[in-house]
Amino acid sequence: SQTIHQWPATLVQPVGSPLSLECTVEGTSNPNLYWYRQAAGRGLQLLFYSVGIGQISSEVPQNLSASRPQDRQFILSSKKLLLSDSGFYLCAAQGRDEKLFFGSGTQLSVL
Amino acid sequence: DAKTTQPNSMESNEEEPVHLPCNHSTISGTDYIHWYRQLPSQGPEYVIHGLTSNVNNRMASLAIAEDRKSSTLILHRATLRDAAVYYCILRVDYKLSFGAGTTVTVRA
Repeated sequence: SQTIHQWPATLVQPVGSPLSLECTVEGTSNPNLYWYRQAAGRGLQLLFYSVGIGQISSEVPQNLSASRPQDRQFILSSKKLLLSDSGFYLCAAQGRDEKLFFGSGTQLSVL
Repeated sequence: DAKTTQPNSMESNEEEPVHLPCNHSTISGTDYIHWYRQLPSQGPEYVIHGLTSNVNNRMASLAIAEDRKSSTLILHRATLRDAAVYYCILRVDYKLSFGAGTTVTVRA
């Protein structure tokens, strides 16, 4: 079965500190990978997507970046966090069956 | 980008059917229609998807209009566990962008 491992579940970081969120995918090869962010009580905002190793598309200009060093590894980073980076971050993958499946998410609080 | 429009909220009684509408008038021929649902503090869960024909699975049915400009998710017998935010989204090329969704409340 397809599974996404996303960590950590909760993260509290000071403003100006760096960020690295990682997710790994099991059960499918060459997936399309996605990073979403969800503010409290809001819908999901697509941040980045990737259709292959080293291929990253950014949807929203922002303080964040993404990388895909391996087929089933997707990393979200920031050099200096802002208060507005707080939110619930979700990694997702889409296999050949068209279905999108999600990790359990990381709740990031920037203080 | 092709957009979807859904009602903000919908209420239903337990064990009654729920019909969730979605308008996507700018859909193109290769855009898949996806439905997901999200419970509080969880990631979204896949419900169903389709391209042109109606689709059924163990969770729900998807009815797609002949011109593909709208679709309806049907939950045949709502349970309390079906209370969630339901998202109708289009896969445009490789992008799946979520809107605000419909909050479904199920009354016991």
